[in-house]
Amino acid sequence: DAGVIQSPRHEVTEMGQEVTLRCKPISGHNSLFWYRQTMMRGLELLIYFNNNVPIDDSGMPEDRFSAKMPNASFSTLKIQPSEPRDSAVYFCASSRLSGKGANVLTFGAGSRLTVL
Amino acid sequence: AQKVTQAQTEISVVEKEDVTLDCVYETRDTTYYLFWYKQPPSGELVFLIRRNSFDEQNEISGRYSWNFQKSTSSFNFTITASQVVDSAVYFCALRMNYGGSQGNLIFGKGTKLSVKP
Repeated sequence: DAGVIQSPRHEVTEMGQEVTLRCKPISGHNSLFWYRQTMMRGLELLIYFNNNVPIDDSGMPEDRFSAKMPNASFSTLKIQPSEPRDSAVYFCASSRLSGKGANVLTFGAGSRLTVL
Repeated sequence: AQKVTQAQTEISVVEKEDVTLDCVYETRDTTYYLFWYKQPPSGELVFLIRRNSFDEQNEISGRYSWNFQKSTSSFNFTITASQVVDSAVYFCALRMNYGGSQGNLIFGKGTKLSVKP
């Protein structure tokens, strides 16, 4: 099991540029979460999907942020245009909705974003 | 509202000491889950334990033990005979079991544990 795979691991970009973060959940998991971690706000949920359908996007900061899950094995988080305050570590996590280990979130290694 | 409070921001101990990390939660739900995650200096988040609201039995796993008390809304984590490799940030988290927030984890701010040799 390769775990949750995120790319890129590190991204440095300039203000105004578009940023796309990618996530491949664990095969067989049907819930996917995007979290953001900063020193000031800690770990906060941005959005999560069940069976590829967005369930709660109330944590998405503003219209500059968007997330998609076109199929069960891939999700993207896009920031356009990026701003310095978006600098953070973005985590993707996945879980099963039912069965053994249901709702235990397995996290990816994170994508560290720096916006200059 | 749901909330998780980890009052200890940082703790420093010497190797082989026992240490307890506190977690207090707030929820109006009767069915919920509590979690502990570890974030070592490398940055990944590692699952340690899940406990549901109907199971107040304490749990022990090696040097780790967890004390869940619904009466005080607490889910504390004890490391016995701490080791340098235990140095990490530890997060307590709460998940409700129904409604629009099903599946979402609400995290505390974390407790940074430093174990010195």
